[in-house]
Amino acid sequence: QVQVVESGGGVVQPGGSLRLSCAASGFTFSTYAMHWVRQAPGKGLEWVAFIRYDGTKKYYADSVKGRFTISRDNSKTTLYLQMNSLRAEDTAVYYCAKDLPDYAFDPWGQGTLVTVSS
Amino acid sequence: QTVVTQEPSFSVSPGGTVTLTCGLSSGSVSTSYYPSWYQQTPGQAPRTLIYNTNTRSTGVPDRFSGSILGNRAALTITGAQADDESDYYCVLYVGSGSWVFGGGTKLTVL
Repeated sequence: QVQVVESGGGVVQPGGSLRLSCAASGFTFSTYAMHWVRQAPGKGLEWVAFIRYDGTKKYYADSVKGRFTISRDNSKTTLYLQMNSLRAEDTAVYYCAKDLPDYAFDPWGQGTLVTVSS
Repeated sequence: QTVVTQEPSFSVSPGGTVTLTCGLSSGSVSTSYYPSWYQQTPGQAPRTLIYNTNTRSTGVPDRFSGSILGNRAALTITGAQADDESDYYCVLYVGSGSWVFGGGTKLTVL
């Protein structure tokens, strides 16, 4: 079945870096755009980043622009999120999601928790 | 700065019908924003319910429907059940490669 599984979360100090991964299976990864979405503890969902199926277009939320980089390796069917200059407000569960053709997200992974704290 | 608005909370009786809405701080929501809806229970990943305004995701019962009502997107749940008690999020595609989620609606079934 179509599935995405995130990994790489953990505890990092403010100003530090972390790279998240999202392993995809059950669909032709190289033909679908992908997203990262996050959810701070007790808060709502926030779209973070988008990457086109071939990696040629990338978009970011203003809150992460210049600090986060989305990328993908189609040969490994894996999506990445490189997070630099992390701040306390980046603490959240990070979900990856496959892009639906009509600007939506499905399915979602189970998420990976990133905690930015000294 | 685009702000997407949702009712913070709503309640419905078992078997009843409820309509949750999704609006813009300025302007009207239309199909051009490709509204989609997600259900989330505590500790779980979001589940896709509706996309492109009114298309149900695979496996979603027809008790869930999407539409545009006036100047807002809407999610209607008919015949509410206890396990519909969840948080519901809408998201709009606001163009230029940007998506904005609403703050979510906490639905209580009682």
